Formats: sequence, C-alpha cells, structure tokens
Amino acid sequence: DTAVSQTPKYLVTQMGNDKSIKCEQNLGHDTMYWYKQDSKKFLKIMFSYNNKELIINETVPNRFSPKSPDKAHLNLHINSLELGDSAVYFCASSPYLRDPLDFGPGTRLTVL
Amino acid sequence: AQSVSQHNHHVILSEAASLELGCNYSYGGTVNLFWYVQYPGQHLQLLLKYFSGDPLVKGIKGFEAEFIKSKFSFNLRKPSVQWSDTAEYFCAVNANTDKLIFGTGTRLQVFP
Repeated sequence: DTAVSQTPKYLVTQMGNDKSIKCEQNLGHDTMYWYKQDSKKFLKIMFSYNNKELIINETVPNRFSPKSPDKAHLNLHINSLELGDSAVYFCASSPYLRDPLDFGPGTRLTVL
Repeated sequence: AQSVSQHNHHVILSEAASLELGCNYSYGGTVNLFWYVQYPGQHLQLLLKYFSGDPLVKGIKGFEAEFIKSKFSFNLRKPSVQWSDTAEYFCAVNANTDKLIFGTGTRLQVFP
C-alpha cells in the first residue's frame, strides 16, 4: 500500500520544455506539500495546500504552478524549464498543518 | 526568520559507536521538533517528534532526542550505531507557523 505516490520517478528533459509531476495520497490527509531537494540535499518548501486551498507559496518562480483537483492530489506543473530546476521534488502530506509529514518517493528532475 | 542549524555535515563512525547529531533552531516561542531520516535512494521517514511533555523523546530504531529549551537544541542520539544506520539525517522545526523548516542535513556513514 503506497501512502504517498509520485509519478514519474525520473524525468529528463530539455531546457524550455514544460513538464508535470503528479502526486497522490491515500491517507485521508487534509494537507499536501511540495518540497525541493537540491544537489546538496537541502530541503525547501515550495507550496502547501490545505483541503485544495493554497496555504503557502514560498517565493517560487511563477513558472511553477501547483494544482489540487481534490484533497488527495497535488500536481506540480513547470513551464519553461531551466537548468537550475534540476533537483529531486518531494510531495508530502499530513493530517493537518504542523503535523508530521509523510513523504513520497521523490521525482528526480534533470534538465539538460 | 526561523532557521535550523545542523553543524555536523558529515559524520563517520564504526559500528557500535555512540552517535550524537546536533540540531539548533532560532525561535523563542513554542516549537514542534522533528528528526527525519533519508536512507540512500529512499524518501524521508519520520524518526521521532516532540510536541510537548517529556523532553526526552524516543523514536524508531533505537534513536532518541532531547529537547533543551534553554539551548534551543534538539540533538539526536543513539547509543550504538549499526551499518544500516548509514543515511542522511534531517532536523526540522515548526515554530508556530504552517511551514516545516529543515536543517541542511547530516550525512552519517557507519563502517562495519
């Protein structure tokens, strides 16, 4: 039983392309997040949604657009990909804000 | 602004050695504190958490952490490490906001 799942696991693409990463949780949690982990393993929050509403938008370029069709899904769409977008993107969920997070397996994005 | 410091960037130990990883945060109010572990190639998993009560918290796999409010610290300890503890360890703090702020991580290598 996968609690938080992400697809794809690996994504290799050219600069300038548009790509999406999907995330689903089957834990019944109200809150979902996107975190970016850079090459030095530093984790930084990008967005959080609570019950489909955007709660946190952490000064992320507007090329990144999250979408939450329902509280079990939080997708991340990235326009005009740049080299600096290469990272591992983790989706996470929690029962409510400030609760411990359950993380997905991550999506390794490589922009060439 | 809130920040989390992990001063040990890379720790190398032999099996059966004792472990202590430092974590300090900058916030004077109520905090929720967490340690997460990321095994090679895997997603982050919660090791332990502190919300309130006994400042000595026990987690999974024999790990524990002590919250010392006067020192703004939440150090992680294990009396005897195993090779399987080789991983990246992240301290994280939620300081009465909706954001979980992570430290820069400590890479632990345990040699048999």
